[in-house]
Amino acid sequence: EAQVTQNPRYLITVTGKKLTVTCSQNMNHEYMSWYRQDPGLGLRQIYYSMNVEVTDKGDVPEGYKVSRKEKRNFPLILESPSPNQTSLYFCASSLATRYEQYFGPGTRLTVT
Amino acid sequence: AQSVSQHNHHVILSEAASLELGCNYSYGGTVNLFWYVQYPGQHLQLLLKYFSGDPLVKGIKGFEAEFIKSKFSFNLRKPSVQWSDTAEYFCAVNGAPNAGKSTFGDGTTLTVKP
Repeated sequence: EAQVTQNPRYLITVTGKKLTVTCSQNMNHEYMSWYRQDPGLGLRQIYYSMNVEVTDKGDVPEGYKVSRKEKRNFPLILESPSPNQTSLYFCASSLATRYEQYFGPGTRLTVT
Repeated sequence: AQSVSQHNHHVILSEAASLELGCNYSYGGTVNLFWYVQYPGQHLQLLLKYFSGDPLVKGIKGFEAEFIKSKFSFNLRKPSVQWSDTAEYFCAVNGAPNAGKSTFGDGTTLTVKP
């Protein structure tokens, strides 16, 4: 089944404790992105990648890191999480020639 | 800079009413436009898309949208809504020269009363 998977689905952590949210897609898509969804603010793009080893900042990259060492994986790293990073995070992927995105199920992160 | 503006934050309709959700965008290149839907507790899924050609596009579940280039608009319509259409709807834009960068609107929550 074609899908985007994210882990973990739910995470509660404390300020400053490094964490990684994994994202994997099995559709051989070139493009991958991370978004955060906050009430009233829609989805805001954090980082995106157009291929292996090619990443770029979205609209809200501060406090986040990404890497794209393999085509299928695009982990999101929070080196020192803060409470303002409490949010619902979505990973998405798309083909380079067809830009509609396929979304993962989301990761609800709470930073206390 | 690219941007998307959705006019209605919360819409409440009765079943069988007609729906139109507004979306205006700003983009400095060749534009791709999308509507995504997020049903309660689920992830986003594509409703319909416009890349080029016929400005009236049809999507799943009876939804359609019209691209009006002169008005920078891509409004979503459905002639008769159902209770199952209760969801949050997002308009989004990307395109050349940087198709990796996508911008979403703030979303419109649609509540359909049975």
